[in-house]
Amino acid sequence: SQQGEEDPQALSIQEGENATMNCSYKTSINNLQWYRQNSGRGLVHLILIRSNEREKHSGRLRVTLDTSKKSSSLLITASRAADTASYFCATDQAGANSKLTFGKGITLSVRP
Amino acid sequence: NAGVTQTPKFQVLKTGQSMTLQCAQDMNHEYMSWYRQDPGMGLRLIHYSVGAGITDQGEVPNGYNVSRSTTEDFPLRLLSAAPSQTSVYFCASRRDSYMNTEAFFGQGTRLTVV
Repeated sequence: SQQGEEDPQALSIQEGENATMNCSYKTSINNLQWYRQNSGRGLVHLILIRSNEREKHSGRLRVTLDTSKKSSSLLITASRAADTASYFCATDQAGANSKLTFGKGITLSVRP
Repeated sequence: NAGVTQTPKFQVLKTGQSMTLQCAQDMNHEYMSWYRQDPGMGLRLIHYSVGAGITDQGEVPNGYNVSRSTTEDFPLRLLSAAPSQTSVYFCASRRDSYMNTEAFFGQGTRLTVV
């Protein structure tokens, strides 16, 4: 079953605005990862946050993790039209032979 | 450095036919996996492998077979294709499954079963 659930399912913003996407999960994790998928392409890794971390930054990306609430958020600041894509959270479940489990994704549209 | 290479990119099969989706990685990654992506369903794990000679089932393994005879290759076999297997298939590799590592994805194989 799906471990991560993203919210909202779709998001439309103006270029220059910030985009916030949320992810909730169900079981204990080793880490949580965010991926981007451009239309018709494979997924590209954006950022990984470990279970003992609370916040991480990478360029215009900021990820937070709240393990007590089993939730994460991805903030993209000063969005650009090129950020238009689908975004997925994925959880690496605790335990041996961990499997990366993906949510259903968020469609982000950035209007020029 | 090619990363993860999937072939073919597109395929049309008739119901009942069999085929093999190829996946190769040149990063010496131990961990490889296959996902299928369907509209509104996200990515679902079909099979995965933590090293040569070791495979295990994911969330939706029925109708699919895998083997891992080398570190580089992880083919996915459809034994008798069904319309329900119409999907986009992604192969992914990771350095290993024990450390906090990212996954590298191929470009996908779009399969239609008629």
